[in-house]
Amino acid sequence: GESVGLHLPTLSVQEGDNSIINCAYSNSASDYFIWYKQESGKGPQFIIDIRSNMDKRQGQRVTVLLNKTVKHLSLQIAATQPGDSAVYFCAETVSGNTGKLIFGQGTTLQVKP
Amino acid sequence: DAGITQSPRHKVTETGTPVTLRCHQTENHRYMYWYRQDPGHGLRLIHYSYGVKDTDKGEVSDGYSVSRSKTEDFLLTLESATSSQTSVYFCATSKMDFSGANVLTFGAGSRLTVL
Repeated sequence: GESVGLHLPTLSVQEGDNSIINCAYSNSASDYFIWYKQESGKGPQFIIDIRSNMDKRQGQRVTVLLNKTVKHLSLQIAATQPGDSAVYFCAETVSGNTGKLIFGQGTTLQVKP
Repeated sequence: DAGITQSPRHKVTETGTPVTLRCHQTENHRYMYWYRQDPGHGLRLIHYSYGVKDTDKGEVSDGYSVSRSKTEDFLLTLESATSSQTSVYFCATSKMDFSGANVLTFGAGSRLTVL
């Protein structure tokens, strides 16, 4: 079946450095992708999304890149801060498909002071 | 988590007992979802609802049932809890925009332990 996976379970970066979190997806029909951030003891929170007709989208300190050829998604965080420490999930869906999201297993981002 | 309340937030129960988790939303969103989160499995969809009394199964629906009698409430019931249902359960809602893109907003979670 379809799955969304992340390449690394844990990523450790120095405060101030840029972080890159990767995600691979397998459903070529997926056309909408979302990154979520989950802090300890809380529910996932929306960070940024991207549609399949785009290959890049920028937010505040975050950028999502989409490579449909290799079915790869990445989240870039600029100038990583201690508050960025969390688990990051990518999720995929087919637009209009009752909104069901398929989530990857998550990458833990640790920011060292 | 504003607008989504899950109850109880923590529950410990014994194998074989029924358990109901409640999700209440004030966003008037049409779509509601129940996910479970387990180490190594990420978030997996249990059931979802696309309107009052309209529900459907997700990928891990065995052992669970749901009900939605009002727009604002979505109940998840474990008819006879098992240890494998020990997990953190998240409710989510969505209004789905005109293009079909769907951003889910999650509640704070309910931690269930089945002994």
